[in-house]
Amino acid sequence: KNEVEQSPQNLTAQEGEFITINCSYSVGISALHWLQQHPGGGIVSLFMLSSGKKKHGRLIATINIQEKHSSLHITASHPRDSAVYICAVSGRLSGSRLTFGEGTQLTVNP
Amino acid sequence: GAGVSQSPRYKVTKRGQDVTLRCDPISSHATLYWYQQALGQGPEFLTYFNYEAQPDKSGLPSDRFSAERPEGSISTLTIQRTEQRDSAMYRCASSLDQTNTEAFFGQGTRLTVV
Repeated sequence: KNEVEQSPQNLTAQEGEFITINCSYSVGISALHWLQQHPGGGIVSLFMLSSGKKKHGRLIATINIQEKHSSLHITASHPRDSAVYICAVSGRLSGSRLTFGEGTQLTVNP
Repeated sequence: GAGVSQSPRYKVTKRGQDVTLRCDPISSHATLYWYQQALGQGPEFLTYFNYEAQPDKSGLPSDRFSAERPEGSISTLTIQRTEQRDSAMYRCASSLDQTNTEAFFGQGTRLTVV
């Protein structure tokens, strides 16, 4: 069992739909990261959070430390949101070294 | 520099050849990570540097893999006697320090061993 598990692996949505990607982890963490991997291969950090909720534009990330679970929500999805979304954690003892989930491939159709 | 820069972006090499990948981190960042990402998988840790020190190289898959950061800035990852299973995206990330801070990623180097 991986330390970081994401679901679903693949997600196809119609433009405008509300999207949720889930992440569960099994280790003690100091922070959880949501990353976006573009088709060209580049990775961009979307959120780093250790409690509660963060919002940036149409993106919302939440974390429940007790349940070791985080969700990434996209409201009013758009085809340009199509990408791989990766959940990663910084372990309590590993500083800024990240352990990654396998990613969720999101496709938003017009 | 303004961001993390990796070169080359793409590298095709014949099995048995040595390759060297380069990472130029954000100039103020002390900590630099190398990750390997197989197709359809999440990245996996290879090694990291804090300035020029290399405290952890436990993720390097074999002694064919080595990394350097001699002056605490630019880093290189060298794979000797490449094998087909080495084909992957190699990612470099840097962060301000090795405590819990945000990591910034380069574009990656796509290595294909034929």
